[in-house]
Amino acid sequence: GENVEQHPSTLSVQEGDSAVIKCTYSDSASNYFPWYKQELGKRPQLIIDIRSNVGEKKDQRIAVTLNKTAKHFSLHITETQPEDSAVYFCAASNNYGQNFVFGPGTRLSVLP
Amino acid sequence: EAEVAQSPRYKITEKSQAVAFWCDPISGHATLYWYRQILGQGPELLVQFQDESVVDDSQLPKDRFSAERLKGVDSTLKIQPAELGDSAMYLCASSQGKQSGIYEQYFGPGTRLTVT
Repeated sequence: GENVEQHPSTLSVQEGDSAVIKCTYSDSASNYFPWYKQELGKRPQLIIDIRSNVGEKKDQRIAVTLNKTAKHFSLHITETQPEDSAVYFCAASNNYGQNFVFGPGTRLSVLP
Repeated sequence: EAEVAQSPRYKITEKSQAVAFWCDPISGHATLYWYRQILGQGPELLVQFQDESVVDDSQLPKDRFSAERLKGVDSTLKIQPAELGDSAMYLCASSQGKQSGIYEQYFGPGTRLTVT
């Protein structure tokens, strides 16, 4: 089955700097890759996603890149703000919405 | 804005007891997911429904867990008997489904289960 790894497990950056979180997946059939943000005690919320027919997607300060050949995808957050502090999860799904497998999460701390 | 509803929000039960969780997805969402999230880890998919049918329950411990979505709307996840290792957050999520071409999952607030 699918296996998703995520690095780093914790990340601290200064406010205004960029943050990058990387995920790798094992199943070449995976074709949908969402990223979720989970604040303490709250539900995961989708922040951006990418499909296998696209190499990059951007939404304001957030971008995701996908390298299908290497089977990895990355989340990029620019101009970080204290409210970006949370746990971020990547996930992979095959057949567009089935067999979701989540990564173990990255705890991002943005220091003022 | 429509949200996924779950109840109860918190549940404390003794081991060997039965416990049930309820989820009401966003109206019109065909796909419903149940996840278990252990503190400090990512959500783990337990079961996925497409309308009233199970499409994936490969990670569901079927000796003690069961799930149903009889009319293709709300869903119930049951554990019987509960074990200490079942203590976790149980999250429900829904999406419009593959046929719509929209795959984004929306999560409910979760049920925090503590087994003593």
